[in-house]
Amino acid sequence: GENVEQHPSTLSVQEGDSAVIKCTYSDSASNYFPWYKQELGKGPQLIIDIRSNVGEKKDQRIAVTLNKTAKHFSLHITETQPEDSAVYFCAASKVTGGSYIPTFGRGTSLIVHP
Amino acid sequence: SQTIHQWPATLVQPVGSPLSLECTVEGTSNPNLYWYRQAAGRGLQLLFYSVGIGQISSEVPQNLSASRPQDRQFILSSKKLLLSDSGFYLCAWSDLNSPLHFGNGTRLTVT
Repeated sequence: GENVEQHPSTLSVQEGDSAVIKCTYSDSASNYFPWYKQELGKGPQLIIDIRSNVGEKKDQRIAVTLNKTAKHFSLHITETQPEDSAVYFCAASKVTGGSYIPTFGRGTSLIVHP
Repeated sequence: SQTIHQWPATLVQPVGSPLSLECTVEGTSNPNLYWYRQAAGRGLQLLFYSVGIGQISSEVPQNLSASRPQDRQFILSSKKLLLSDSGFYLCAWSDLNSPLHFGNGTRLTVT
């Protein structure tokens, strides 16, 4: 089955700095890679996703890159703000007909210091 | 638009007592439904998923069970809670055209 490794487990940055979270996956058939942000006491919320036919996607201060050859993908947050502090999860999956079971990384706790 | 409701938000139960957590989804039909547990504030462990009414797949042997009595209702149950059942339980839904969408979770403390 799919295995997703996520690094680092904790990331501490100063407000305004950039933050990068990296994930690797094992199944070359995986074709969909969402990223989730989980604030304290809440459920994870989708913040950005990328499909295997795209190498990069941006949405304001966040971007995701995908290297299919190396089987890794990364989340980039620029100009970090204190409200970006949360746990971030990456996931990998194969989107096919029927069931859809993503495999999640173990999460990265991002701390943005004002 | 689609919404997911999960309740209760917090629950404190004694060891050996039963459990019933409920999740409902609005605004979509025949969604895939999921129960996850999150222990120690971090990793997401898939417990059960369902692709239709009465169709439940268990990912991990547990002291828990799941049922889907209606298309958009997913219930997580236990007959007798263990201390190790404490955690943050998350319900989620998806369909063929969307990623997982999570509810806001239930914090269960077994005492």
